[in-house]
Parts: sequence; C-alpha cells; structure tokens
Amino acid sequence: QVQLVQSGAEVKKPGSSVKVSCKASGGTFNTYGISWVRQAPGQGLEWMGRIIPILDIANYAQKFQGRVTITADTSTSTAYMELSSLRSQDTAVYYCARDLLSGAVIKYFDDWGQGTLVTVSS
Amino acid sequence: QSALTQPASVSGSPGQSITISCTGTSSDVGSYNLVSWYQQHPGKVPKLMIYEGSKRPSGVSNRFSGSKSGNTASLTISGLQAEDEADYYCCSYEGSSSVIFGGGTKLTVL
Repeated sequence: QVQLVQSGAEVKKPGSSVKVSCKASGGTFNTYGISWVRQAPGQGLEWMGRIIPILDIANYAQKFQGRVTITADTSTSTAYMELSSLRSQDTAVYYCARDLLSGAVIKYFDDWGQGTLVTVSS
Repeated sequence: QSALTQPASVSGSPGQSITISCTGTSSDVGSYNLVSWYQQHPGKVPKLMIYEGSKRPSGVSNRFSGSKSGNTASLTISGLQAEDEADYYCCSYEGSSSVIFGGGTKLTVL
C-alpha cells in the first residue's frame, strides 16, 4: 500500500506563492501519476493538475494554467505543487492523489495524502 | 469546464437504497467508462468507492454499486447504514490527461 505524506499547513500573504510537497513511500513511484486536488472550506473537490514522474510530464486544469507548477523528484519519491499569485479564494486543503499509470489517461485515485491546509490572508 | 452535476443532497432511512446521479456531457461521462466515486466523511480524506464506472476496490462493501447511461453515471447504496452518511463525489476522465469532479452530494441517513 502506497502512503502519501504531505507537508504541513501554510499561511501566506496575498500575491505570494506556496509550495506543498507529497512524499510517497511503499510501491514504486515511477509506476503512477500524482495529481493535486484542492477543496475550499465547505466546497467540493477540484482537480488542479497531474504529473507523471517517470516522464517528468505535467498537465494542468485550464483554470490554473500559468499559476500552478507541478514537479517531481524521483530520487526522493516526492511530488510538489507550487501555486503563485495567491488570493484569498485559494484558501483550501490541498491533496495529492495517486493514479496507477495507464498512459496519459487518468482512471481513478486510489491513494490520497492527508491534505495540507493553505490559508491566504493579509 | 463546469463541474459534473450532482444533487446537492439526498437522504434515506437505514436499510433503504438511494441513488446519486452524476450528469456530464458527451465529452466526459458519455465518452469514457472512467467514472469514479469517492466518499468523504467530515474532516477526512476522500476514499475511492467505485472506479471505471462499476468496479469496487477491495474492501469496499458490495452495498455500493455504480452504473452509467449516456451522459449520466449513478452510484447506488443499498441497505443504508449510519456510517454511509458522508459527502459523495463523482469524477470523470475528460480527455487530454484531465479529469473533472462533480459538485458533491451530501447523504443524510435519517
């Protein structure tokens, strides 16, 4: 069973950036993709983007294009999500989630990180 | 791309069956047999309940089942139990290595 462990809560100022990490243990990091999904307080799940670590290929939801960067370090089995130009509406819990690689297709997320609360406030 | 459409809330009594719908378009739900369903209890991490439309992961009760007709996927929970009370989200592949979630449905067990 793969375990995804995320970095701790963050408090950021509007206009700044935040970088959240997601370290995988168990399983083989190179056999899956890692997506980032966020959930604003009292709201639903929102997919932000995904990286295939073994190929270092990332793709992003249109809404976040230009503002989010997802990277991965295969040597440490860690994925990262950096969100820039933060505004109050970005206050949310950010989850990383694993999908078993099936080419470019994302079939489902069978393991999730514990979530990282990012609060954007002046 | 707007979220997939789910009812905001559904309810049922213990022992009853309920169905949660998830309506998309011919570009997502209608094009791929890749709808998944997630259960989320308050303050908890989402849990995969159904994948590829109707398959159950190991450990998930057979009271949970999934289906699809056209652009609408459905999650049915039979023999409702108190612990089923949670939020449920559908998710569909929409091509170009992207997925889209539904807005979520709050299930209340009366």
